[in-house]
Amino acid sequence: KNEVEQSPQNLTAQEGEFITINCSYSVGISALHWLQQHPGGGIVSLFMLSSGKKKHGRLIATINIQEKHSSLHITASHPRDSAVYICAKGAQKLVFGQGTRLTINP
Amino acid sequence: ETGVTQTPRHLVMGMTNKKSLKCEQHLGHNAMYWYKQSAKKPLELMFVYNFKEQTENNSVPSRFSPECPNSSHLFLHLHTLQPEDSALYLCASSQGGQGYTAFSYEQYFGPGTRLTVT
Repeated sequence: KNEVEQSPQNLTAQEGEFITINCSYSVGISALHWLQQHPGGGIVSLFMLSSGKKKHGRLIATINIQEKHSSLHITASHPRDSAVYICAKGAQKLVFGQGTRLTINP
Repeated sequence: ETGVTQTPRHLVMGMTNKKSLKCEQHLGHNAMYWYKQSAKKPLELMFVYNFKEQTENNSVPSRFSPECPNSSHLFLHLHTLQPEDSALYLCASSQGGQGYTAFSYEQYFGPGTRLTVT
């Protein structure tokens, strides 16, 4: 079992739908990172959080330290949100989940 | 543009070749990282450098040799690679430093080098 597990592995939705991607980890963390990877490989950091909730535009990330669980939500999803979303735990030595491939259809 | 550049973007090399990947960051960071992304596998950390000093080697085979001449540049020297080393190699940078590995900082990634070993 990986230290960081994501679900679902693949997610297809219609434009406008509310999206939730989940991340669970097996041991305590200093921080939890959410990353976005577009086709072609480039990775962008979306959030880094160690407690509570963060919001940036239509994206919201939450974390429950006691339950060792984090979620990434996308409101009013759009086809340009189609990408692979990756969670990772750690400070400098990041351990990554497998990623969730999100496809938003118009 | 994330402020982290990588060259070359694509590389095909034979198993007996020697090549180098280059990463440069223009963000004033003092920590740099190499990651490997193989098909169907999660991203894997390879090396971490803080203030030019290697602070993490994630059990990487010696055919991968990193070099960090200053806080802005990071190289990955490759020699006698195997076909299973074919992958996307990503560089990243962040704030951080010696003794600061317990602190978490946002990492900025380069576009990656797509390596194919034939």
